[in-house]
Amino acid sequence: DSGVTQTPKHLITATGQRVTLRCSPRSGDLSVYWYQQSLDQGLQFLIQYYNGEERAKGNILERFSAQQFPDLHSELNLSSLELGDSALYFCASSATGWSTEAFFGQGTRLTVV
Amino acid sequence: QQQVKQSPQSLIVQKGGISIINCAYENTAFDYFPWYQQFPGKGPALLIAIRPDVSEKKEGRFTISFNKSAKQFSLHIMDSQPGDSATYFCAASSQYSSASKIIFGSGTRLSIRP
Repeated sequence: DSGVTQTPKHLITATGQRVTLRCSPRSGDLSVYWYQQSLDQGLQFLIQYYNGEERAKGNILERFSAQQFPDLHSELNLSSLELGDSALYFCASSATGWSTEAFFGQGTRLTVV
Repeated sequence: QQQVKQSPQSLIVQKGGISIINCAYENTAFDYFPWYQQFPGKGPALLIAIRPDVSEKKEGRFTISFNKSAKQFSLHIMDSQPGDSATYFCAASSQYSSASKIIFGSGTRLSIRP
C-alpha cells in the first residue's frame, strides 16, 4: 500500500458527461501529480500541484482541469467526455515539489461509453 | 528533448536468467532516474532509482547501470523469477527544474518463463 488513495476505483459514464476523480496523497506529501495511462500505453503526465499551486503542466486537454485543496487532496475534473478519454488515471504524491520519490495510487479506471 | 526512450517493448526471459531493459534520454538537466514496476490493475511502484553521480546502484537482484556520457541507463534483474513478470517503466526528472514532472518511458512488458 503506497498510502495514496484514489476514488472511485472504477467509473463508467457516457460521452459528453463530466466526472471528478479524487486523490488523497500520502500523509505529509505536498506534491500531487496526475497521469493518464491508456490501454497498453505509457504514463502520460497531465499536471502537477504543489501545496495548492499548479507547478507543472503536461499534455492536459482543455476539457480537463485539476486543483489541490488546502487539505492537500486533489481532484481531476474531466468534462465533455469522449470515447478516447477511456483510460486509467493515476495520482502520485511526493514529499516536496521536486519529484524525487513519487508514490502512486491504485488508479481510477474510467470507461466512457 | 523531454523524451525518455525505452527498449525493448516486450521481453521474455527464462527463470533464473538476466533481464535487461534499456533507456536513453536527451535532456542533460535530468538528475534523477527511477524505475517503476507495475502489475496488471495496480499503480506503478518505485523499484529502484539512481542519480548521475554514481555509475551503478544495486538493491537485491535489481541493478541500475548508468552511463552519463552516453545518456543511457539500464535495469538488470538477476536470477529472474516468475514473480518479476510485470511492466517496467524507466523515468527521469530534474530536481531543480521549475517543471519537475517525471517523464516516463513507454514501458517494457517482462514475462519470466518458469
